[in-house]
Amino acid sequence: EPEVTQTPSHQVTQMGQEVILRCVPISNHLYFYWYRQILGQKVEFLVSFYNNEISEKSEIFDDQFSVERPDGSNFTLKIRSTKLEDSAMYFCATGASGDNEQFFGPGTRLTVL
Amino acid sequence: AQKVTQAQTEISVVEKEDVTLDCVYETRDTTYYLFWYKQPPSGELVFLIRRNSFDEQNEISGRYSWNFQKSTSSFNFTITASQVVDSAVYFCALRDSSNTGKLIFGQGTTLQVKP
Repeated sequence: EPEVTQTPSHQVTQMGQEVILRCVPISNHLYFYWYRQILGQKVEFLVSFYNNEISEKSEIFDDQFSVERPDGSNFTLKIRSTKLEDSAMYFCATGASGDNEQFFGPGTRLTVL
Repeated sequence: AQKVTQAQTEISVVEKEDVTLDCVYETRDTTYYLFWYKQPPSGELVFLIRRNSFDEQNEISGRYSWNFQKSTSSFNFTITASQVVDSAVYFCALRDSSNTGKLIFGQGTTLQVKP
């Protein structure tokens, strides 16, 4: 069964450092998303990506964040200068269309020290 | 504004009990989609069900069943004969009305099933 994969599973970084979180979507999916879950809290939308561009972003997704599909398969989330409050689980999700269910990757736990 | 409310923060039951997780949503859209996801202790989000607003028929899948009632804006989830493996955080979500399909999640309900 196709699945979304994410790497790394856990990333520890120092405040101010750049991190890149990677996701490999399900191959025939066209809609890509990043969500964030601070420990013990609900899942929050960060950004959606369709047709090689951002289709929507939340207030959380400020200038420190960026997304891209560098090679047509990987979907990456970059945080340019990490802050302590960026510590969270980051989930990639993909969907065949905007109406279909989204399948989530296993998440990357980001710890900013 | 669109919103999902899961008023039950934590529920604890003993194995084999039935348990219902509540979900109330707010939306002005006439067409919308609702979802349930399970987050076991390992942390991943597992898709359980998607429901279209035009389909009010209740759904049953094994020990799981869902009761969708537009009149009360609720989409409740019942686990029959609960098992220890059902212990997890369960999230109800609403597809946003924008074309992007982003999901708006409730706060989640932590279900603990004791042996």
